[in-house]
Amino acid sequence: EAQVTQNPRYLITVTGKKLTVTCSQNMNHEYMSWYRQDPGLGLRQIYYSMNVEVTDKGDVPEGYKVSRKEKRNFPLILESPSPNQTSLYFCASSLSGTGFAGANVLTFGAGSRLTVL
Amino acid sequence: GEDVEQSLFLSVREGDSSVINCTYTDSSSTYLYWYKQEPGAGLQLLTYIFSNMDMKQDQRLTVLLNKKDKHLSLRIADTQTGDSAIYFCAKGPTNFGNEKLTFGTGTRLTIIP
Repeated sequence: EAQVTQNPRYLITVTGKKLTVTCSQNMNHEYMSWYRQDPGLGLRQIYYSMNVEVTDKGDVPEGYKVSRKEKRNFPLILESPSPNQTSLYFCASSLSGTGFAGANVLTFGAGSRLTVL
Repeated sequence: GEDVEQSLFLSVREGDSSVINCTYTDSSSTYLYWYKQEPGAGLQLLTYIFSNMDMKQDQRLTVLLNKKDKHLSLRIADTQTGDSAIYFCAKGPTNFGNEKLTFGTGTRLTIIP
């Protein structure tokens, strides 16, 4: 089944304890992206990657790191989590980007709910 | 900046039509999208419309685009309980090399039996 898989789905951690949220897709997609969803704010993009070893900042990159060493994986790293990073995180992928000349459909993971105490 | 705005809540009686509205500030995107988020799940694409179209229909879904007023709407005919979800409008990149997809705040649709 074509899908984007995120782990963990739920995590409670404490301020300052480094954590990684993994994201993997099995569709050979070039484009991958991380979003956070907060009430009343919709989805905001954290980082995205157009291909292996190519990453770029989204709207809210502060406090996050990413890497794209392999095409299928795009982990989100919180080096020193803080309570304002408590949120619902989504990883998404598409064939070749979000599309200016042509529509590109994003496939989303099921989400990772993170609580930082 | 690029803003996409939606009402946060909508309640509709089962069997009626639902109309979810979206307004945006930057009209240079070539594609606009509607995504659906069911409880505990990620977003799934419902439909999208090219910016030179006024309307697109797909079974129970009708998308209307008014570029002059920068207004996008999604109409769901014969609304069912399975349509309960959060609906996000999104606008695509505004130029080549820009990979920004801007989402609205989402509208939570509640179906009244």
